[in-house]
Amino acid sequence: EPEVTQTPSHQVTQMGQEVILRCVPISNHLYFYWYRQILGQKVEFLVSFYNNEISEKSEIFDDQFSVERPDGSNFTLKIRSTKLEDSAMYFCASSIGNIQYFGAGTRLSVL
Amino acid sequence: KNEVEQSPQNLTAQEGEFITINCSYSVGISALHWLQQHPGGGIVSLFMLSSGKKKHGRLIATINIQEKHSSLHITASHPRDSAVYICAAAGGTSYGKLTFGQGTILTVHP
Repeated sequence: EPEVTQTPSHQVTQMGQEVILRCVPISNHLYFYWYRQILGQKVEFLVSFYNNEISEKSEIFDDQFSVERPDGSNFTLKIRSTKLEDSAMYFCASSIGNIQYFGAGTRLSVL
Repeated sequence: KNEVEQSPQNLTAQEGEFITINCSYSVGISALHWLQQHPGGGIVSLFMLSSGKKKHGRLIATINIQEKHSSLHITASHPRDSAVYICAAAGGTSYGKLTFGQGTILTVHP
């Protein structure tokens, strides 16, 4: 069964460093999303992406964040200068219709 | 802004019991999703509903659009059903963007 793949599963970084979280969506999907879940809190929407551009973003998704689909298969989330409060689980999802398929997540730990 | 609330927050059951998890949302939606999150953190989509009722194995999901309420039922619960169950609302005008409830932690004891 096709699945959304995220790498790495766990990323540890120093505050102020740039990180790139990678996702390979399901191949025929058209819509791509990033969500995050801070430990003990609700999952929060970050950004949606369609037709090579951001279709919607939340208040969380400020200038420190960017997304890219560089090669037609990968979908990346970049955080330019990480803060302690960026520590969370980051989920990528993709869809072709209304049902979103989630990756297993990347746990980001900012020290 | 849609507010999505689930109850209960924690639920403990004995194997074989019938389980109900409730979800309420504050504004109109295009669809309501039920998701399952296991201890490792991964999220699996269980159902997407825009009206009525859906059934998959021992899982049943219902939605009442007028009352802005959905329920997830598990019949004949089993320890392997232990997980966090999350409802998420897809907004009426935002394709795909999901607003999540806080999750219900279900523990089923043998």
